[in-house]
Amino acid sequence: QSALTQPASVSGSPGQSITISCTGTSSDVGGYNYVSWYQHHPGKAPKLVIYDVTNRPSGVSNRFSGSKSGNTASLTISGLQAEDEADYYCISHTSTNTLVFGGGTRLTVL
Amino acid sequence: QVQLVESGGGVVQPGRSLRLSCAASGFTFRDYGMHWVRQAPGKGLEWVAVIWSDGSTKNYADSVMGRFTISRDTSKNTLFLQMNSLRAEDTAMYYCARDISSWSPGFWGQGTMVIVSS
Repeated sequence: QSALTQPASVSGSPGQSITISCTGTSSDVGGYNYVSWYQHHPGKAPKLVIYDVTNRPSGVSNRFSGSKSGNTASLTISGLQAEDEADYYCISHTSTNTLVFGGGTRLTVL
Repeated sequence: QVQLVESGGGVVQPGRSLRLSCAASGFTFRDYGMHWVRQAPGKGLEWVAVIWSDGSTKNYADSVMGRFTISRDTSKNTLFLQMNSLRAEDTAMYYCARDISSWSPGFWGQGTMVIVSS
Protein backbone atom coordinates (compact mmCIF):
# COMPACT_ATOMS: atom_id res chain seq x y z
CA GLN A 1 0.00 0.00 0.00
CA SER A 2 2.39 2.70 -1.16
CA ALA A 3 1.03 6.24 -1.02
CA LEU A 4 0.03 7.84 -4.29
CA THR A 5 2.42 10.53 -5.52
CA GLN A 6 1.37 14.17 -5.42
CA PRO A 7 3.49 17.32 -5.73
CA ALA A 8 4.25 18.75 -2.32
CA SER A 9 3.11 22.23 -3.30
CA VAL A 10 1.54 24.24 -6.10
CA SER A 11 0.71 27.90 -6.33
CA GLY A 12 -1.25 30.28 -8.50
CA SER A 13 -2.62 33.80 -8.59
CA PRO A 14 -6.29 34.67 -8.16
CA GLY A 15 -8.21 33.95 -11.34
CA GLN A 16 -5.66 31.52 -12.70
CA SER A 17 -6.04 27.76 -13.07
CA ILE A 18 -3.91 25.11 -11.42
CA THR A 19 -3.69 21.34 -11.77
CA ILE A 20 -2.62 18.85 -9.12
CA SER A 21 -1.50 15.42 -10.25
CA CYS A 22 -1.89 12.10 -8.44
CA THR A 23 0.18 9.22 -9.75
CA GLY A 24 -0.32 5.60 -8.81
CA THR A 25 -0.14 2.25 -10.55
CA SER A 26 -2.35 -0.08 -12.54
CA SER A 27 -3.33 -1.63 -9.19
CA ASP A 28 -4.96 1.54 -7.96
CA VAL A 29 -5.46 4.76 -9.97
CA GLY A 30 -5.04 3.10 -13.35
CA GLY A 31 -7.22 0.11 -12.57
CA TYR A 32 -10.38 1.71 -11.22
CA ASN A 33 -12.55 4.79 -11.63
CA TYR A 34 -12.68 5.23 -7.87
CA VAL A 35 -10.48 8.28 -7.42
CA SER A 36 -11.61 11.07 -5.11
CA TRP A 37 -10.15 14.43 -4.14
CA TYR A 38 -10.42 16.28 -0.82
CA GLN A 39 -9.85 19.86 0.25
CA HIS A 40 -8.53 20.11 3.80
CA HIS A 41 -8.26 23.29 5.81
CA PRO A 42 -6.26 22.80 9.03
CA GLY A 43 -8.45 22.11 12.02
CA LYS A 44 -11.48 21.21 9.93
CA ALA A 45 -12.84 17.98 8.51
CA PRO A 46 -11.72 17.17 4.95
CA LYS A 47 -14.23 18.14 2.27
CA LEU A 48 -14.90 15.95 -0.76
CA VAL A 49 -14.64 17.96 -3.98
CA ILE A 50 -14.44 15.20 -6.63
CA TYR A 51 -15.41 11.50 -6.58
CA ASP A 52 -15.40 8.71 -9.15
CA VAL A 53 -12.66 10.61 -11.05
CA THR A 54 -14.90 13.32 -12.49
CA ASN A 55 -18.03 13.74 -10.37
CA ARG A 56 -18.69 16.79 -8.21
CA PRO A 57 -20.75 16.41 -5.03
CA SER A 58 -23.77 18.64 -4.66
CA GLY A 59 -22.74 22.11 -3.53
CA VAL A 60 -19.16 21.97 -4.79
CA SER A 61 -18.21 24.76 -7.16
CA ASN A 62 -17.91 23.88 -10.86
CA ARG A 63 -14.47 25.48 -10.71
CA PHE A 64 -13.29 22.06 -9.47
CA SER A 65 -12.89 19.33 -12.07
CA GLY A 66 -11.21 15.93 -12.22
CA SER A 67 -9.76 13.70 -14.89
CA LYS A 68 -7.61 10.62 -15.34
CA SER A 69 -5.16 9.32 -17.89
CA GLY A 70 -3.52 5.98 -17.35
CA ASN A 71 -2.10 5.79 -13.84
CA THR A 72 -2.38 9.53 -13.18
CA ALA A 73 -5.43 11.41 -11.96
CA SER A 74 -5.64 15.18 -11.92
CA LEU A 75 -7.58 17.87 -10.09
CA THR A 76 -7.98 21.22 -11.81
CA ILE A 77 -9.16 24.34 -10.04
CA SER A 78 -10.07 27.20 -12.33
CA GLY A 79 -10.62 30.83 -11.39
CA LEU A 80 -8.52 30.50 -8.24
CA GLN A 81 -9.89 32.23 -5.17
CA ALA A 82 -8.24 33.01 -1.86
CA GLU A 83 -10.46 30.50 -0.07
CA ASP A 84 -9.09 27.70 -2.26
CA GLU A 85 -5.84 27.86 -0.32
CA ALA A 86 -5.70 24.52 1.50
CA ASP A 87 -4.20 21.05 1.41
CA TYR A 88 -5.51 18.74 -1.30
CA TYR A 89 -5.44 14.94 -1.16
CA CYS A 90 -6.28 12.29 -3.72
CA ILE A 91 -7.42 8.81 -2.75
CA SER A 92 -7.91 5.67 -4.81
CA HIS A 93 -9.42 2.25 -4.45
CA THR A 94 -6.84 -0.54 -4.77
CA SER A 95 -6.73 -4.13 -6.04
CA THR A 96 -6.71 -5.39 -2.44
CA ASN A 97 -10.03 -3.68 -1.71
CA THR A 98 -8.45 -0.96 0.39
CA LEU A 99 -8.02 2.77 -0.13
CA VAL A 100 -4.76 4.66 -0.41
CA PHE A 101 -4.19 8.41 -0.10
CA GLY A 102 -1.71 10.62 -1.84
CA GLY A 103 0.82 12.48 0.26
CA GLY A 104 -1.07 15.75 -0.09
CA THR A 105 -0.43 19.00 -1.95
CA ARG A 106 -0.36 22.44 -0.33
CA LEU A 107 -2.03 24.99 -2.59
CA THR A 108 -0.94 28.57 -2.09
CA VAL A 109 -2.94 31.39 -3.65
CA LEU A 110 -0.46 34.19 -4.25
CA GLN B 1 -28.61 16.30 7.25
CA VAL B 2 -25.81 13.77 7.60
CA GLN B 3 -24.09 14.02 10.94
CA LEU B 4 -21.18 11.97 12.23
CA VAL B 5 -19.87 12.50 15.76
CA GLU B 6 -16.73 10.72 16.92
CA SER B 7 -15.88 10.07 20.56
CA GLY B 8 -13.62 7.94 22.70
CA GLY B 9 -10.27 9.56 22.03
CA GLY B 10 -7.79 10.43 24.73
CA VAL B 11 -4.33 9.75 26.09
CA VAL B 12 -3.33 6.10 26.40
CA GLN B 13 -0.08 4.30 27.18
CA PRO B 14 1.73 2.24 24.54
CA GLY B 15 0.47 -1.33 24.40
CA ARG B 16 -2.95 -0.45 25.81
CA SER B 17 -6.35 -0.43 24.08
CA LEU B 18 -8.93 2.18 23.18
CA ARG B 19 -12.33 2.02 21.47
CA LEU B 20 -13.55 4.85 19.29
CA SER B 21 -17.21 5.41 18.48
CA CYS B 22 -18.92 7.32 15.69
CA ALA B 23 -22.60 8.18 16.16
CA ALA B 24 -24.42 8.56 12.85
CA SER B 25 -27.65 10.42 12.13
CA GLY B 26 -29.53 11.99 9.26
CA PHE B 27 -29.37 8.96 6.96
CA THR B 28 -30.16 5.24 6.88
CA PHE B 29 -27.02 3.90 8.53
CA ARG B 30 -27.40 0.31 7.31
CA ASP B 31 -27.31 1.44 3.67
CA TYR B 32 -23.76 2.80 3.58
CA GLY B 33 -20.19 1.68 3.83
CA MET B 34 -18.22 3.41 6.56
CA HIS B 35 -14.53 4.25 6.98
CA TRP B 36 -12.00 5.35 9.56
CA VAL B 37 -9.27 7.75 8.43
CA ARG B 38 -6.53 9.31 10.55
CA GLN B 39 -4.08 12.18 10.40
CA ALA B 40 -0.98 12.20 12.56
CA PRO B 41 0.30 15.60 13.70
CA GLY B 42 2.03 17.35 10.82
CA LYS B 43 1.37 14.44 8.45
CA GLY B 44 -1.06 13.64 5.66
CA LEU B 45 -4.30 11.71 5.69
CA GLU B 46 -4.08 7.93 6.09
CA TRP B 47 -6.93 5.55 5.37
CA VAL B 48 -7.37 3.03 8.23
CA ALA B 49 -10.32 0.71 7.64
CA VAL B 50 -13.63 0.12 5.88
CA ILE B 51 -16.75 -1.87 6.73
CA TRP B 52 -19.36 -2.58 4.12
CA SER B 53 -22.97 -1.55 4.60
CA ASP B 54 -24.07 -5.02 5.71
CA GLY B 55 -20.98 -5.55 7.86
CA SER B 56 -19.98 -8.59 5.83
CA THR B 57 -16.60 -7.28 4.71
CA LYS B 58 -13.93 -5.40 6.61
CA ASN B 59 -10.58 -4.31 5.21
CA TYR B 60 -7.62 -2.61 6.85
CA ALA B 61 -4.48 -0.69 6.09
CA ASP B 62 -1.32 -2.77 6.55
CA SER B 63 -0.23 -0.45 9.36
CA VAL B 64 -3.15 -1.50 11.61
CA MET B 65 -3.92 -5.02 10.38
CA GLY B 66 -4.20 -7.46 13.27
CA ARG B 67 -4.36 -4.67 15.89
CA PHE B 68 -7.47 -2.67 14.94
CA THR B 69 -11.01 -3.95 14.39
CA ILE B 70 -13.79 -2.02 12.71
CA SER B 71 -17.41 -2.88 13.53
CA ARG B 72 -20.88 -1.39 13.40
CA ASP B 73 -24.08 -1.63 15.42
CA THR B 74 -27.02 -0.91 13.14
CA SER B 75 -29.48 -0.86 16.06
CA LYS B 76 -27.53 2.05 17.56
CA ASN B 77 -26.45 3.72 14.29
CA THR B 78 -22.89 3.59 15.56
CA LEU B 79 -19.53 2.74 14.03
CA PHE B 80 -16.66 1.52 16.18
CA LEU B 81 -12.89 1.16 15.97
CA GLN B 82 -11.31 -1.13 18.54
CA MET B 83 -7.63 -0.28 18.78
CA ASN B 84 -5.34 -2.76 20.55
CA SER B 85 -1.56 -2.84 21.10
CA LEU B 86 -1.37 0.88 20.52
CA ARG B 87 1.92 2.43 19.44
CA ALA B 88 3.27 5.96 19.50
CA GLU B 89 2.82 6.11 15.72
CA ASP B 90 -0.94 5.61 16.16
CA THR B 91 -1.13 9.12 17.63
CA ALA B 92 -3.49 10.99 15.33
CA MET B 93 -6.83 12.64 14.80
CA TYR B 94 -9.26 9.87 13.88
CA TYR B 95 -12.18 10.62 11.56
CA CYS B 96 -15.12 8.46 10.64
CA ALA B 97 -16.59 8.92 7.18
CA ARG B 98 -19.58 7.69 5.18
CA ASP B 99 -19.46 6.63 1.56
CA ILE B 100 -21.14 8.94 -0.95
CA SER B 101 -20.51 6.36 -3.67
CA SER B 102 -18.59 3.09 -3.69
CA TRP B 103 -15.14 3.62 -2.20
CA SER B 104 -15.70 7.36 -1.84
CA PRO B 105 -15.80 8.63 1.76
CA GLY B 106 -17.95 11.71 1.26
CA PHE B 107 -19.26 12.83 4.65
CA TRP B 108 -16.86 13.23 7.54
CA GLY B 109 -17.09 13.82 11.26
CA GLN B 110 -15.00 16.40 13.08
CA GLY B 111 -12.63 13.79 14.49
CA THR B 112 -11.43 12.56 17.88
CA MET B 113 -7.80 12.82 19.00
CA VAL B 114 -5.83 9.81 20.16
CA ILE B 115 -2.46 10.31 21.85
CA VAL B 116 -0.33 7.28 22.62
CA SER B 117 2.29 8.23 25.16
CA SER B 118 3.84 6.97 28.36
